[in-house]
Amino acid sequence: RKEVEQDPGPFNVPEGATVAFNCTYSNSASQSFFWYRQDCRKEPKLLMSVYSSGNEDGRFTAQLNRASQYISLLIRDSKLSDSATYLCVGTGGSYIPTFGRGTSLIVHP
Amino acid sequence: GAVVSQHPSWVICKSGTSVKIECRSLDFQATTMFWYRQFPKQSLMLMATSNEGSKATYEQGVEKDKFLINHASLTLSTLTVTSAHPEDSSFYICSAPLPSHEQYFGPGTRLTVT
Repeated sequence: RKEVEQDPGPFNVPEGATVAFNCTYSNSASQSFFWYRQDCRKEPKLLMSVYSSGNEDGRFTAQLNRASQYISLLIRDSKLSDSATYLCVGTGGSYIPTFGRGTSLIVHP
Repeated sequence: GAVVSQHPSWVICKSGTSVKIECRSLDFQATTMFWYRQFPKQSLMLMATSNEGSKATYEQGVEKDKFLINHASLTLSTLTVTSAHPEDSSFYICSAPLPSHEQYFGPGTRLTVT
């Protein structure tokens, strides 16, 4: 079983919609979690860190639930430019990142 | 955010030749860097952990004699694909972590072996 699991999608939503992605992890020793965005044929770029208290950056909200071992990302008011693959990442004390396979989001007009 | 560069951004080489890819952290020091490979429409696959001053740690199934890693300084790691074959054609990406565990990625190197 992969250590970080994500629904690969694709999630196909209209502009303006709210969409949520979940990610589960199996390694309870994982300390830090992040969401990355990867566009086609590009490198992943850090979108936001994920904290137990939840954090918000504009239209994006991330949440970590350690008890249930899942991470979520909520995107409000989707834009066409939000179309990308969203990667969930966990790291432990060794800094070695564990990636989910990514969730594909397609925002259409 | 932190900046990581990679060079070259793309390379085409003939089968049997070797290709070196450089990964540099431009505004921070990285005792550890990571190398990944990504095939089209597939997820990132961690190949190895590059450790400054010591040997790299390779993931299961990655041949250490084929993918040579050298972490020459606190800001530079290199990956050499030796005796490249067409099946080695892929997108190679490096990353370096900050103490906060945030990974910053290089822009990637697209390798095509003919």
